[in-house]
Amino acid sequence: GENVEQHPSTLSVQEGDSAVIKCTYSDSASNYFPWYKQELGKRPQLIIDIRSNVGEKKDQRIAVTLNKTAKHFSLHITETQPEDSAVYFCAAGLGDYKLSFGAGTTVTVRA
Amino acid sequence: DTGVSQDPRHKITKRGQNVTFRCDPISEHNRLYWYRQTLGQGPEFLTYFQNEAQLEKSRLLSDRFSAERPKGSFSTLEIQRTEQGDSAMYLCACRASGTDTQYFGPGTRLTVL
Repeated sequence: GENVEQHPSTLSVQEGDSAVIKCTYSDSASNYFPWYKQELGKRPQLIIDIRSNVGEKKDQRIAVTLNKTAKHFSLHITETQPEDSAVYFCAAGLGDYKLSFGAGTTVTVRA
Repeated sequence: DTGVSQDPRHKITKRGQNVTFRCDPISEHNRLYWYRQTLGQGPEFLTYFQNEAQLEKSRLLSDRFSAERPKGSFSTLEIQRTEQGDSAMYLCACRASGTDTQYFGPGTRLTVL
């Protein structure tokens, strides 16, 4: 089955700096790559996603890049704010989008 | 609010008891997924429905677990003879046909004593 690895497990950044989270996946057939943000005690919420026919996607301060050849994808958050503090999960989906998630990255934005 | 609801939100039970959780997806979202999330980990896929048909089950889903979606709307997940290792957050997600996004519910936190 699909195996998704996510790094780093924790990330502390100064407010205003950028944060980058990287994920690799094992199944080259995976074709959908969402990123979810989960605040403490809350449900995972989609923040951005990308399909395998696209190399990069941007939404305001958030961007995702995908390298199909290397089977890795990354989340970039620019101009971080305290409200960006949360756990971020990458995932890879195949077929009818059974998602395989990474272990998560706890992001702390220091004021 | 994404509109996915789950009930109950918390469940404490003793080992060996049976428990049942319910998920009400967003109306007309015909794909429904169950995931399990333990502390410090990402959600793990358990099973998936398209309308009322259960199309895939993870090998994580032992014989003690059963899920149904009898009318293609709400779904239930039952765990029989609960074990302490079943303690986790059980998340439901749904997706509309022709779209990509899975919307998650708030989850049911199960504690097995």
